[in-house]
This record gives sequence, structure tokens and C-alpha cells, in this order.
Amino acid sequence: DGGITQSPKYLFRKEGQNVTLSCEQNLNHDAMYWYRQDPGQGLRLIYYSQIVNDFQKGDIAEGYSVSREKKESFPLTVTSAQKNPTAFYLCASSIAQGLARETQYFGPGTRLLVL
Amino acid sequence: DQQVKQNSPSLSVQEGRISILNCDYTNSMFDYFLWYKKYPAEGPTFLISISSIKDKNEDGRFTVFLNKSAKHLSLHIVPSQPGDSAVYFCAARGLGAGTASKLTFGTGTRLQVTL
Repeated sequence: DGGITQSPKYLFRKEGQNVTLSCEQNLNHDAMYWYRQDPGQGLRLIYYSQIVNDFQKGDIAEGYSVSREKKESFPLTVTSAQKNPTAFYLCASSIAQGLARETQYFGPGTRLLVL
Repeated sequence: DQQVKQNSPSLSVQEGRISILNCDYTNSMFDYFLWYKKYPAEGPTFLISISSIKDKNEDGRFTVFLNKSAKHLSLHIVPSQPGDSAVYFCAARGLGAGTASKLTFGTGTRLQVTL
């Protein structure tokens, strides 16, 4: 079964702690994305990556970091600098960047809560 | 600045009737539009899309209409079924360097299909 997996489903963060959210895809997609969803709001882009070892900031990158060492994996670290980290985090992937008709496919999400 | 707007946060429709979800956008550079369906605590699933070179795209019970001059698109679901109850997000994709791979999402419309 091809798809996108995110783990854990729920994650708790203590004040001042960095936490890392996992995203793995076996769709052989080149591009991967991280979004954040807050109640009553749409999805906002945090970071995206077109190819391995390359990534760009999205609209709300402050307080987050990413890496793309493998095509299949795009982990997101929520650092202590992110002052309001409580949200639902969604990872997505698509075939390739720059195609006018490409569609992004989403994982099941990780809910991050601050203790 | 909300470039993609879904002005109706919620909609209630009787089973068997038509559901019409609306979306407006302001950025004339958007060239491709998508609708996603989302259940609580899950990732969005792709529903249907339309390119700006078309004014209508149909897939089973789902039809998307695009009025480019009005910068307006709508999703029609007919007949509506209880399983259609979810939050629907409209998303728009821009073309060109720096925007080619970024989707801008609306805030979503919660559809409830009643018996």
C-alpha cells in the first residue's frame, strides 16, 4: 500500500523542549511539505522540499526546522522558539514541483500539545 | 491577507439534495484549484480539481465550476449523502518561480448532511 505515514499521532511537548515529527512516504514523490492547521483556520505552509538535501521556507517557518536526507523522509522539528506550537501538523507529498497540475496528497496528521 | 476565502464556515443540507460550497480568491496568478475533504483528526483527502483553462470539471457526484472573471469557484455535490459530512477546503496553486509548488488554502466549510 502506497501512502504517507506520520508519527506519532499525538505528541506532548514540555516548555523549552524540541520535538520532532516524523513523515515518511513510499509514493516515490519528489516533493514533500509540512502544514499546520489551527482551529477555524486553513492549512498554512511551514516548509517544503523539492528534492533531497534542499528545502525552502513556507509562510510560517519561524520556530521550525526540517531536513531532507532521504527522498522518503521529511522530519519536522518544532523548536523551543515556536511560542505557540499547539496545532495539528500535516505532511504532504507530490510528484514533482513546478508542474501546473500536480496534486498534493496528505498524511493522517500529528496533534501536538504543550504540557 | 486571505487570498483564498470560504465565507461560509458551515452548511447544512438534507440527504439527497444538492450541496453547494463556494470559494473566492483574489490572486489572479492562481491557475489551478483543488478541493479537499477532511474528517476530524485525519489528513485532507483530494476530491477534485480544475485548471483555469476550464470552467467545469465533473467526477461522479462532484462537480467543480470556475468563474475566472469573478475569481470564484464552487463545488457541487449531488445527491448529498451522510458520508459527505466533513470539512471541505478549497486550495489554489500559483504558477511561476517561488509559487509554483505552494498551495494556498481557504479556511474551510463544514458540511453537515442530515437525514
